[in-house]
Amino acid sequence: AQKVTQAQTEISVVEKEDVTLDCVYETRDTTYYLFWYKQPPSGELVFLIRRNSFDEQNEISGRYSWNFQKSTSSFNFTITASQVVDSAVYFCALSEGTAAGNKLTFGGGTRVLVKP
Amino acid sequence: GAVVSQHPSWVICKSGTSVKIECRSLDFQATTMFWYRQFPKQSLMLMATSNEGSKATYEQGVEKDKFLINHASLTLSTLTVTSAHPEDSSFYICSARDFTSSYNSPLHFGNGTRLTVT
Repeated sequence: AQKVTQAQTEISVVEKEDVTLDCVYETRDTTYYLFWYKQPPSGELVFLIRRNSFDEQNEISGRYSWNFQKSTSSFNFTITASQVVDSAVYFCALSEGTAAGNKLTFGGGTRVLVKP
Repeated sequence: GAVVSQHPSWVICKSGTSVKIECRSLDFQATTMFWYRQFPKQSLMLMATSNEGSKATYEQGVEKDKFLINHASLTLSTLTVTSAHPEDSSFYICSARDFTSSYNSPLHFGNGTRLTVT
């Protein structure tokens, strides 16, 4: 069975600090997709990134970067120079199989609080 | 881009009544929709998979007679919480897969419905 673990339940930083969110996953499938979503206080899920299991390239998008390491089954997310607007709950998720649109298994989420 | 509309965004109902939540794909066809539930300060848990024209597949521990799912068209799935009780108070969120897009297309999420049962 698939499982996603986000060991950090809450992280508090001061604005402009970097913050790294850990995500470890378990799956028996060789083909799968990994995701990160942001959930602000309003509740909607904001899609941040999708990675398939065959693409281990790290990715940078503005202040966001992701480090995918199959050897350790990890897909960590870093926010550089954090801002107050980054305060939210961040979820890592896993989808098994060849389609990115399959059902998702979410991690427990990490609440990030960025203080001014 | 693809949009999933969920209605209502919030609802308050009395214990014992039923509540219907709608999930619509606005600009694409969705053969499959997923319903998730999120209790306060917890993660999202999959409740059921809704397939157009067939019965929904429920996850273990989810009462199919309490959470009725209907997916009668390629753009609409509904979740009805029957005989709601305070413990059903939660955030319900749907997602849909674009039928016409490639297998690589990710899910699109609605904005969620916050249900409070008094």
